[in-house]
Amino acid sequence: AQRVTQPEKLLSVFKGAPVELKCNYSYSGSPELFWYVQYSRQRLQLLLRHISRESIKGFTADLNKGETSFHLKKPFAQEEDSAMYYCALSGAGNNRLAFGKGNQVVVIP
Amino acid sequence: DTAVSQTPKYLVTQMGNDKSIKCEQNLGHDTMYWYKQDSKKFLKIMFSYNNKELIINETVPNRFSPKSPDKAHLNLHINSLELGDSAVYFCASSQAGGEETQYFGPGTRLLVL
Repeated sequence: AQRVTQPEKLLSVFKGAPVELKCNYSYSGSPELFWYVQYSRQRLQLLLRHISRESIKGFTADLNKGETSFHLKKPFAQEEDSAMYYCALSGAGNNRLAFGKGNQVVVIP
Repeated sequence: DTAVSQTPKYLVTQMGNDKSIKCEQNLGHDTMYWYKQDSKKFLKIMFSYNNKELIINETVPNRFSPKSPDKAHLNLHINSLELGDSAVYFCASSQAGGEETQYFGPGTRLLVL
């Protein structure tokens, strides 16, 4: 079974402060991890995925298989980062993408 | 060009009615999905089709019936709508399986009165 846990529902941070969204997963196979973002009243879109190892909009996420985590980090939050963030998990050859419950991030000016 | 489109964007209807939501993707993807996002923003997969074949059918009431006339379209028909069906429904597509990036439609806000 695939499971994704995002512990905090709402995260408020001041502009310029660091932000970290926690994501832990449970999966017996080789995981594919993603972060998707949904800005207000917009469609979900991919923010980043672990295999690309990119930094997108200043965000990074490192897959830690030992801790089964894929936390999302940004050193300096911006107002435009206010959005809903979903951690998601799939596996090779697996058509199922399991989403966490999401984190609502509010960046306070 | 819009990659994944859904119609209608908003749907307000009475309990007991039957309604359909259409989804089209022009990305040439093989796999399409339907997700439900509830009032708490929790996102859950409902169905997945690969090349017009149903491959995921979560524990969704059988009042919900997906139909894929071709691999670019995945429509969702809902019979006997209930209050609890009120949600935002997202269509998505990906090149292959779930390990590929999914591209989402704009969502259809369904309100059942």
